[in-house]
Amino acid sequence: GAGVSQSPSNKVTEKGKDVELRCDPISGHTALYWYRQSLGQGLEFLIYFQGNSAPDKSGLPSDRFSAERTGGSVSTLTIQRTQQEDSAVYLCASSLENSPLHFGNGTRLTVT
Amino acid sequence: AQSVAQPEDQVNVAEGNPLTVKCTYSVSGNPYLFWYVQYPNRGLQFLLKYITGDNLVKGSYGFEAEFNKSQTSFHLKKPSALVSDSALYFCAVRDMGGTYKYIFGTGTRLKVLA
Repeated sequence: GAGVSQSPSNKVTEKGKDVELRCDPISGHTALYWYRQSLGQGLEFLIYFQGNSAPDKSGLPSDRFSAERTGGSVSTLTIQRTQQEDSAVYLCASSLENSPLHFGNGTRLTVT
Repeated sequence: AQSVAQPEDQVNVAEGNPLTVKCTYSVSGNPYLFWYVQYPNRGLQFLLKYITGDNLVKGSYGFEAEFNKSQTSFHLKKPSALVSDSALYFCAVRDMGGTYKYIFGTGTRLKVLA
């Protein structure tokens, strides 16, 4: 069956540009998470959507980062005015309530 | 605050020997505990979880983990390591009495030597 799909798989952008990263979760999964994995680092929590509840945005590193989830399915993570320190792999995961997370393969973002 | 610690950046073990990857956690409520593995250029894959019940849980690829409430630990173990087990391992905790979000450790790179 289809897993979590992320696009693009790789994105190179110039400093100062905006980028949008897309996540298609597994159909029917109510929870959706975004994480950031920097080289040599662990997974940094960014944002968590659960059903129709207000998202937990406590991990977003600055107001340049935002995310939305439309219709309880697809999610878009937007980074405005990208900086070099935003370079990382951005991982999306989805799950049913109280079940393990299923991860996508990530989007590798490089800011030049 | 909710947190997970993996004290070892890297663990080296000879093929055929037992392996242990350490994890300790801190939560305000009851923890749900998980181990994930990441192979090179791949996404994270679920290995096993502890929700409730037996302290020793068994998962994929022959891995198991022991939940120790008094030591707030959830170490990953395997009786006999394979070269193909070499990967990056992440421990995660979900605070069921607090934020409900998953928090991951910094990861431990396991290298199994032939």
